[in-house]
Amino acid sequence: NAGVTQTPKFRILKIGQSMTLQCTQDMNHNYMYWYRQDPGMGLKLIYYSVGAGITDKGEVPNGYNVSRSTTEDFPLRLELAAPSQTSVYFCASSPRGEKLFFGSGTQLSVL
Amino acid sequence: LAKTTQPVSMDSYEGQEVNITCSHNNIATNDYITWYQQFPSQGPRFIIQGYKTKVTNEVASLFIPADRKSSTLSLPRVSLSDTAVYYCLVGGYLDTDKLIFGTGTRLQVFP
Repeated sequence: NAGVTQTPKFRILKIGQSMTLQCTQDMNHNYMYWYRQDPGMGLKLIYYSVGAGITDKGEVPNGYNVSRSTTEDFPLRLELAAPSQTSVYFCASSPRGEKLFFGSGTQLSVL
Repeated sequence: LAKTTQPVSMDSYEGQEVNITCSHNNIATNDYITWYQQFPSQGPRFIIQGYKTKVTNEVASLFIPADRKSSTLSLPRVSLSDTAVYYCLVGGYLDTDKLIFGTGTRLQVFP
């Protein structure tokens, strides 16, 4: 059972570079989420989606973009990476928004 | 979405029962209460969910008073492997499209 799969697991970016964090789930969940977690802190919601073609901003959307063309995939795009975006990024999915299933995370450093 | 308040940290010893309380004074009628556990370098993991009274599973119990303005996660006979951060979330089925984590409670279990 794959569940929620995130790639890559680690990445180092230079300031100003761009990248896409991949997230895919095989549970046919409608709801998907992107969170970031800074060291020693709680999770902050970046973007979420309630179904294919529908996305909305969370608490900290600036500097990020998302798309949801299929039920399975919910990629997170970082444009013009900044040191403040150094964090661990978690993707999650949920059948109805009531119980989250998380991926193993992507550790991103922007230097 | 109901805001939650939890203690920042708690200490315990192996074999003891640990109770972590979460306050959610503005919980809505259709909101459920969900607890997650997070180990370092991992995504949060679902522990237990409830609506009212008491819920028990193989891992924990969840106590919810009649007014539902608080809830208590009870971990029986903790072990070193229960050292983690515990998050309380409040939200409803279907009509909840945002799930925002608080700062959580950092539980440290000593031998």
